[in-house]
Amino acid sequence: KNEVEQSPQNLTAQEGEFITINCSYSVGISALHWLQQHPGGGIVSLFMLSSGKKKHGRLIATINIQEKHSSLHITASHPRDSAVYICAVRRLGNQFYFGTGTSLTVIP
Amino acid sequence: GAVVSQHPSRVICKSGTSVKIECRSLDFQATTMFWYRQFPKQSLMLMATSNEGSKATYEQGVEKDKFLINHASLTLSTLTVTSAHPEDSSFYICSARLPGYDSPLHFGNGTRLTVT
Repeated sequence: KNEVEQSPQNLTAQEGEFITINCSYSVGISALHWLQQHPGGGIVSLFMLSSGKKKHGRLIATINIQEKHSSLHITASHPRDSAVYICAVRRLGNQFYFGTGTSLTVIP
Repeated sequence: GAVVSQHPSRVICKSGTSVKIECRSLDFQATTMFWYRQFPKQSLMLMATSNEGSKATYEQGVEKDKFLINHASLTLSTLTVTSAHPEDSSFYICSARLPGYDSPLHFGNGTRLTVT
């Protein structure tokens, strides 16, 4: 069993739709990261969370530490949001566990 | 913002040769850098954690004699794939973290290694 589970694995949405990607984890963590990987492979760190909620532009990330669950929301989705979104958790020290990613395609 | 530069972006090498991949933090000092490997349509797999001035910490199952990591300065870590074989063909990515327990990760753009 993976320490980090993401759902859905694949997601296709129409431009403008509200999108939610979920991440559940089974270990104690010090922080959770949401990453965006573009088709060329480059990775951008979107959020780092240890509690509550963060917002950056059209992206919102929430985390519930008690339930060991995080969500990434994209409002008013756009084709340029098409990418793989990866949830990663960091344990105490430098141990990282990665989800298998959610491949998002936003259709114009 | 913090920038991590990874070089080369693509490399093709013959079986049996060694390949060095560089990861540089351009505008900050990274005491800790991480090396990952990614197979097609799979997520990142942490290979090792590189700490400046000390030996890297390898994850279970990663051969440290095969994947040599050197973190000789606060801005440079290198991964050398020694005696490469076709099964080493993969996408290798580095990331770096500013000092501070809760600092975010900054990723390089990755290196696509193909061993023929």
